Amino acid sequence: GAGVSQTPSNKVTEKGKYVELRCDPISGHTALYWYRQSLGQGPEFLIYFQGTGAADDSGLPNDRFFAVRPEGSVSTLKIQRTERGDSAVYLCASSAGWGTEAFFGQGTRLTVV
Amino acid sequence: SQELEQSPQSLIVQEGKNLTINCTSSKTLYGLYWYKQKYGEGLIFLMMLQKGGEEKSHEKITAKLDEKKQQSSLHITASQPSHAGIYLCGADVTNAGGTSYGKLTFGQGTILTVHP
Repeated sequence: GAGVSQTPSNKVTEKGKYVELRCDPISGHTALYWYRQSLGQGPEFLIYFQGTGAADDSGLPNDRFFAVRPEGSVSTLKIQRTERGDSAVYLCASSAGWGTEAFFGQGTRLTVV
Repeated sequence: SQELEQSPQSLIVQEGKNLTINCTSSKTLYGLYWYKQKYGEGLIFLMMLQKGGEEKSHEKITAKLDEKKQQSSLHITASQPSHAGIYLCGADVTNAGGTSYGKLTFGQGTILTVHP
């Protein structure tokens, strides 16, 4: 596609529910990143995929968070037993590799009520 | 871990004025990226700097990385309302093996308001 696409753009869920956030990267980009951005802060790294494998998941806050990229393209960020503190904008980015710029999607605004 | 400090946190200028935003790192910057973000939207890539002393320009925006590679500045000349938004600097974090893979640590952002 022309750019990184994230769906949904907004998600409101009840505390304790399960949510899935989808990222469709730029075609051909092997690197994919998930970030989380709280109000008034810069994005914080969550996880990095190179191809199908999660090469670095050191930013995932706890085991309620999980992400997959089964075919090396679309990625899904999964959050179990959501908590109000999970409310944030979740950003996805993709790049062609080291030394190249990462292109960001518009983000998914998650609100846990 | 690498930390980035941006200054100022917010900036209000009159249209036509020049301005500078700074980004300072506690460690050597192996790649420094500048992004712009409009409220409720994703990040728009502006520029990437990798070499000490490097300077890049695009339209009225110029970014520099100092020789020691620990500070970068973003300068806007003759600001316009379209420049308003949040400016974020991001540093490429090298892992323990010394091979970077594009994982970025971001500053907290600078909110720019330009009054017509």
